[in-house]
Amino acid sequence: GDSVTQMEGPVTLSEEAFLTINCTYTATGYPSLFWYVQYPGEGLQLLLKATKADDKGSNKGFEATYRKETTSFHLEKGSVQVSDSAVYFCALSDLPGNNRLAFGKGNQVVVIP
Amino acid sequence: EAQVTQNPRYLITVTGKKLTVTCSQNMNHEYMSWYRQDPGLGLRQIYYSMNVEVTDKGDVPEGYKVSRKEKRNFPLILESPSPNQTSLYFCASSSDRGLRALHFGNGTRLTVT
Repeated sequence: GDSVTQMEGPVTLSEEAFLTINCTYTATGYPSLFWYVQYPGEGLQLLLKATKADDKGSNKGFEATYRKETTSFHLEKGSVQVSDSAVYFCALSDLPGNNRLAFGKGNQVVVIP
Repeated sequence: EAQVTQNPRYLITVTGKKLTVTCSQNMNHEYMSWYRQDPGLGLRQIYYSMNVEVTDKGDVPEGYKVSRKEKRNFPLILESPSPNQTSLYFCASSSDRGLRALHFGNGTRLTVT
């Protein structure tokens, strides 16, 4: 079935550092890909999305490019802030016929001043 | 304000005592879904609903029930809660069958002793 794999373990980095969170996927069709962010004590919020190969999603300085050849959708930000500390989830929605999102396990990101 | 509202935010109960977690959305969304979030496992879908009176199982439906009598409400029912249902629960909705943007509630933290 459809699945999403995120890199293991939390990510700790200093303010203004470069952030990368890896995400790879397995899908039988042509999925749409998403990154969701969860701030402490809150629900998930859509951060960015890409609906077809080579699309780049971007928001709040974050970017991710839909790479069909490597089945990847890695999240990047050039200069993180303390306020970017959160849990980040990669997800896919595979249509037609699949009425759900498949989520990765999430990565805790901690940005230290 | 467009939102998904879950109640209660926190709930502590005992094994076997029936409970209901309510979910309501004010965006006239057709699609609604319940997830549970557990450490190391990410988000797993419990049930979803494509419209009124249309519900279907997700990945982990055992021990849960749902109903969709009105478009705005999608309660999650635990008829006989057990300690393994201790978790953080999220309700989500979407106007889009392609699920290109899920709106999440702020979560319900359930503890079953």
